[in-house]
Formats: sequence, C-alpha cells, structure tokens
Amino acid sequence: DARVTQTPRHKVTEMGQEVTMRCQPILGHNTVFWYRQTMMQGLELLAYFRNRAPLDDSGMPKDRFSAEMPDATLATLKIQPSEPRDSAVYFCASGLGRGAREQYFGPGTRLTVT
Amino acid sequence: QQQVKQSPQSLIVQKGGIPIINCAYENTAFDYFPWYQQFPGKGPALLIAIRPDVSEKKEGRFTISFNKSAKQFSLHIMDSQPGDSATYFCAASLMGGSEKLVFGKGTKLTVNP
Repeated sequence: DARVTQTPRHKVTEMGQEVTMRCQPILGHNTVFWYRQTMMQGLELLAYFRNRAPLDDSGMPKDRFSAEMPDATLATLKIQPSEPRDSAVYFCASGLGRGAREQYFGPGTRLTVT
Repeated sequence: QQQVKQSPQSLIVQKGGIPIINCAYENTAFDYFPWYQQFPGKGPALLIAIRPDVSEKKEGRFTISFNKSAKQFSLHIMDSQPGDSATYFCAASLMGGSEKLVFGKGTKLTVNP
C-alpha cells in the first residue's frame, strides 16, 4: 500500500557533523512537509513544499538547516553543522494538495547528536 | 492566535470507558480540524477530521464534537480498548488553500485492561 518512506530510521552522530535525512512522498502527492517532534515542543513544522517549490520554511533555523526537493519522489532535510539540541524525531508527511488537507506521515528519523 | 490548546496532557481510563480529549483555538479562520493518533515509534496517522459546518462526526468508535461558538472541539472514544493506548493530537488548518496544520501538544491516553 502507498506510504511515505524515510531514511535513515535512526541516526547517531557527533556534534558538528552533517546530517541528511531523506523522504519519499506517496506517489502523486504534491505537497511535502517536514516536522520535528520533541517532548518539550511537540510537533513543529519546519518546512513545506508544493510541487517541489518551497512555500514556507519559517520554522527552520536558517543558518544550519536546509530543505530541498530534487525531484517529485525525493525530499531532503540537511543539518550542517549538527548540534545536540537538534536531537529529535524528524517526520516527513505528504498530501495530495489542491486543497486536500489530509497529511500522511512517514515513520520518522530519530536523530541523536552527541 | 495560531495556537491550538489541547488538554489533558495525559489520561488513564479503564477498558470500556469513554475518554474525552479537548482542544480550543482562537483563530476563526481555521476551517479544518483533524485528529491524529500516534503509537510509540510510529508517525502520526490521521484518525478523523471535521469542518466547522457540522457539529459532530462519527467514524466507528471515534467521534468529534465541534462547538463553533466556543471555538472548541473534542474527541470521544467509545468503548475504549487497550489497543487505543496512544498519543492523540488535535490540529487545525487555515482556510484559503494552505495545507499547513497547527498541532496541539498531544494527549497520552492509556486504556487499562
């Protein structure tokens, strides 16, 4: 069945290293969202794409985070350099767009920065 | 004004009980209110959603009640089961074509056997 996939599922890295997380949205979905989930802040929207174009990245620390969609089947979230406070679960979600509000989440990438 | 306030933070009920989770919002431009269910180690999954032109929506054992004048909505789980133990998030979305969701902080539900 159609689902959002994310890789890697777990990542442990040292402070200062670059981290790249990947997401494959559901085929045919034209909106992609990146969220960060922590106990303290809950689910925070980091970035939002429609038809591969970034619409909103106001939730993302600009100095170290970047999000792109090289093609319709791949979204990436990069952190460079990573810091311990970036430790969280990062979720990608996709939606049909065109006014459809339902979002379908992937299983997440659990990032630990030591 | 962009916030959605969710309560309680945690909830414990016995099997067969009817847990109720509440959410409140300020922005009257919100026009779509979904609930998501999240199991440990999984991503949130859409459970049920409502638009403000109806006061109630049922899907199986899950019901959303919506009070537009009070700017509140709630999730009721009938005949709750241990398998319903999860974290539940309410959310809201603005009218006008944006698909962005604003999420509540979540409620951890435990249903004891």
